[in-house]
Amino acid sequence: KAGVTQTPRYLIKTRGQQVTLSCSPISGHRSVSWYQQTPGQGLQFLFEYFSETQRNKGNFPGRFSGRQFSNSRSEMNVSTLELGDSALYLCASSPDGDRLSSYEQYFGPGTRLTVT
Amino acid sequence: DQQVKQNSPSLSVQEGRISILNCDYTNSMFDYFLWYKKYPAEGPTFLISISSIKDKNEDGRFTVFLNKSAKHLSLHIVPSQPGDSAVYFCAASASGGYQKVTFGTGTKLQVIP
Repeated sequence: KAGVTQTPRYLIKTRGQQVTLSCSPISGHRSVSWYQQTPGQGLQFLFEYFSETQRNKGNFPGRFSGRQFSNSRSEMNVSTLELGDSALYLCASSPDGDRLSSYEQYFGPGTRLTVT
Repeated sequence: DQQVKQNSPSLSVQEGRISILNCDYTNSMFDYFLWYKKYPAEGPTFLISISSIKDKNEDGRFTVFLNKSAKHLSLHIVPSQPGDSAVYFCAASASGGYQKVTFGTGTKLQVIP
């Protein structure tokens, strides 16, 4: 199976702009989670989507939003970008969420966002 | 509040020796724990997991130990190889519902040839 793909891989934006990142999960995976990785902060959970519904949400401001389509592909959007939003954004997919193995997530390579 | 903590940001080990990476957690509801490995410019990859009903799980050179009373888990790599050089993330979740996975801040392991 093809792995998780994320586009674009790199992005440079200016403060105040908005950005949309895309994630295509592994075929058959219905859960998609998004994480922000910054130095010293590890992977901070943004949100999780399952069957087009947001199932879990992390502690990020409302400027961060996401959605999932019927084919399980997901997008996340960040509006009114701030310098502190510069980070690696990782998408992960996992199988159906009713087994412990569903916690074993498969990550994409990430999108490196730089806000200037 | 960091519920999953990896207090050592980095670790250097000689090739062939044992690498021990540590992780502490504070949430007593966590009952499933995972380790991921991350190379630069790649996403994390799942390495090994352990359920709270066990205190040890082995997979080849990798063994995870869980001490529930101390809320502590560790990953042992024996023998360590240069290809093991990466950032290792500890993660935890609570079962019984669709709970999110909480990650630690990572430990960068360098295996010296």
